[in-house]
Amino acid sequence: GAVVSQHPSRVICKSGTSVKIECRSLDFQATTMFWYRQFPKQSLMLMATSNEGSKATYEQGVEKDKFLINHASLTLSTLTVTSAHPEDSSFYICSAGQDFNQPQHFGDGTRLSIL
Amino acid sequence: DQQVKQNSPSLSVQEGRISILNCDYTNSMFDYFLWYKKYPAEGPTFLISISSIKDKNEDGRFTVFLNKSAKHLSLHIVPSQPGDSAVYFCAASPGGGAGNMLTFGGGTRLMVKP
Repeated sequence: GAVVSQHPSRVICKSGTSVKIECRSLDFQATTMFWYRQFPKQSLMLMATSNEGSKATYEQGVEKDKFLINHASLTLSTLTVTSAHPEDSSFYICSAGQDFNQPQHFGDGTRLSIL
Repeated sequence: DQQVKQNSPSLSVQEGRISILNCDYTNSMFDYFLWYKKYPAEGPTFLISISSIKDKNEDGRFTVFLNKSAKHLSLHIVPSQPGDSAVYFCAASPGGGAGNMLTFGGGTRLMVKP
């Protein structure tokens, strides 16, 4: 079945560091990928829609200059948290789908901890 | 405004019994619904989906029911197994599949006791 790989699974870094998270579709091409964020004991909140070859679409309240998204190929989208601060600490998850009538599949997420 | 709600944050069920997880939505544009299972520190795993043209979809032990007039869906797990213990999220989208954003409910933690 469709597999989505996310890397790294865990990041711990100092405040002010920029962190890049990769999301790969391993056995299919994805023109659209999605980035979600989950705070402890809360639901997944969509941050942005990553579109191959064009600019990402951000949800209301998500700073596009803070969360840079690049979808340079049909199998890779990256999310860069720029100048991360402790309030950016969260669980970030990406998803992608293979075909229009197929469900989205999720990566295993990245636990980001900013000290 | 939460467009997808799971009003029960937790559910405890005895092994072998039926687990029923509920989900309500408010947006009439949603016409594709999914259930995901999630363990801590992992991404959600797709379980089962249903489109608005159906009222029931079954896959093994999992059955999803959709009541469009009530804007309500439910996931039935029969028989429940200890390995089913996880957080279950329902999700909805305005159209099927890969290219559409999902709106998630708050999740229900299912605990299946041996």
